[in-house]
Amino acid sequence: EAQVTQNPRYLITVTGKKLTVTCSQNMNHEYMSWYRQDPGLGLRQIYYSMNVEVTDKGDVPEGYKVSRKEKRNFPLILESPSPNQTSLYFCASSLSIQGGGYEQYFGPGTRLTVT
Amino acid sequence: GNSVTQMEGPVTLSEEAFLTINCTYTATGYPSLFWYVQYPGEGLQLLLKATKADDKGSNKGFEATYRKETTSFHLEKGSVQVSDSAVYFCALSERGYSTLTFGKGTMLLVSP
Repeated sequence: EAQVTQNPRYLITVTGKKLTVTCSQNMNHEYMSWYRQDPGLGLRQIYYSMNVEVTDKGDVPEGYKVSRKEKRNFPLILESPSPNQTSLYFCASSLSIQGGGYEQYFGPGTRLTVT
Repeated sequence: GNSVTQMEGPVTLSEEAFLTINCTYTATGYPSLFWYVQYPGEGLQLLLKATKADDKGSNKGFEATYRKETTSFHLEKGSVQVSDSAVYFCALSERGYSTLTFGKGTMLLVSP
């Protein structure tokens, strides 16, 4: 089954304790991205990757890191989490579509709470 | 830059009512347009899409028509069900660009 998986689904942590949220896709997509979803703000892109070893900042990259060492994996790293990073995080991978643009497939989400 | 504007929710309807969720966009180029749906506790799922003017995307009884002249992509359904209760996101993706620009989402609540 074609899918995007994220782990963990739920995480409660304390300020300053480094954490990694994993993301993996089995569709051989070149493009992957991370979003955070907050009430009243919708989805905002954190980072994206066009291919292995190619990453770039999205709209809200501060406090986050990513890496793309393999095509299927795109982990999100919070080196020193803070309470304002409490949010719902989604990983997505994309397929280019006929007619232009990209269609994105989303993971189930990771709910992160930083105390 | 690109932007997507959706009507604010929540939209509350009774079962079998007609649904319209408005979406307008601003884009520098000629984008593809999408509607995504997020059911409670789940990730976003693609509902429908349209890639050129006058295209109609449809799925599960939902429809939206790409209107270039009014830069709109309104979502409609003739008869909603309780199971349609979810948050709906309008989004665009420009040709040659991989980034998706989302609206803020519209919550739909359908009562029996």
